Formats: sequence, structure tokens, C-alpha cells
Amino acid sequence: DTGVSQNPRHKITKRGQNVTFRCDPISEHNRLYWYRQTLGQGPEFLTYFQNEAQLEKSRLLSDRFSAERPKGSFSTLEIQRTEQGDSAMYLCASSLVSTANEQFFGPGTRLTVL
Amino acid sequence: GQQVMQIPQYQHVQEGEDFTTYCNSSTTLSNIQWYKQRPGGHPVFLIQLVKSGEVKKQKRLTFQFGEAKKNSSLHITATQTTDVGTYFCAGPETSGGSYIPTFGRGTSLIVHP
Repeated sequence: DTGVSQNPRHKITKRGQNVTFRCDPISEHNRLYWYRQTLGQGPEFLTYFQNEAQLEKSRLLSDRFSAERPKGSFSTLEIQRTEQGDSAMYLCASSLVSTANEQFFGPGTRLTVL
Repeated sequence: GQQVMQIPQYQHVQEGEDFTTYCNSSTTLSNIQWYKQRPGGHPVFLIQLVKSGEVKKQKRLTFQFGEAKKNSSLHITATQTTDVGTYFCAGPETSGGSYIPTFGRGTSLIVHP
């Protein structure tokens, strides 16, 4: 296992379209996190899963954002009706429950909304 | 909610000079983490501090957690060009049973050869 992977690496879409990003965590990691990062800022927490359960989703930016982890392995983040302000890097990270603060980040998906 | 602030936002140094970044939280932290993000890369975990007043070293990097567990610092001795990147501190917000990792804005280190 080479680490956390994310697909696609880049996504360009038109305003109003829906987009979905995928994250594959390190295989033995039962926690998976989604963040958004804009230029000059630190990662901004969105949501996290422990196995298939979404334990925190109060920081999802709006009801246009949703995430799933149906089998406790990979996860998807969907943004509906994209807006130009959604343009950012979306980062996924994973960890063990026992070392939840030691998170391994993926390379991210860069979203550009035209 | 909890806020984590870092200063400075940018730091230019000549290779060989020392560098320090400071992290301050609006609330007491149970622990704090430091990450490094190279230009064009993703954050990479460096270390976690848990105890009040804790000091940990990794080669030329020294990490410190304040006595009140509301502040932390990262000091790099004799910077090298490989130290270039943005250094983030992060602390979990755990009020009300939630777990919300909160990152600072980061300090970008630029090392001039």
C-alpha cells in the first residue's frame, strides 16, 4: 500500500454542475477525513468517518456538500450545483482510531469551477 | 469555535539561519500536532505533543508545548533549503463529544541559499 490516493487529481467544471471525488485510504486505517484547502490557508475540516459511520458532519460547508463511505473503505465527496467559491483543493486523510491525530494525507483533488 | 493562530505568516531566512514559528489556540488543547507541506505537496505529519511543557526534538527541529497547553512553537536550527515549505500546527476541538481537527493558517518558510 503506497498511501492515501485521490481521484481525480484535477477537475474543471462549469458552475451548476455536480462533481464527485474519490478517496482511497491506507487499507488498515478505519478513520477517513475530508478537508478543503484554499491558497494561503490551512486545511479546513469538513467531515470524518470511522469505518462506515459519519461521526461529524457539522462543518460541511453547505447542504450542497455530502460524503459517503458505504463499506468503510473508500469514500466519496460530492458537491452539487457547484459555485465558483467551491474552487479549492480537496484533501482526504486517513488514520487509525488509536492514533487519530497522526493523519496521512492524500495528494488532493484540485477543483476549478468556471 | 476554537481558533488556532500562527505567526508569522511568512519568514524569509538565509540558509544557515534559525527559524521559529508560533502557534496559539483560543482554548486549552488536549494535544497539538505539527505538519509540513512542501510547495505543491500535501501536509505530512511531523509530530504530536501531549504533555504540558513537553519538548521534543527531531534532528534540527525542536517542538515545544506550552505549560498552559494553549501555545506551541517549532524551532529549526541552521535552516537548509530542504526545510522550505509551510508548517502547520493543528489541535483537535473536542467540545461536546465532537472531534474537529483545527489547523492554523501556517507559516511559510523560504530559505535563500
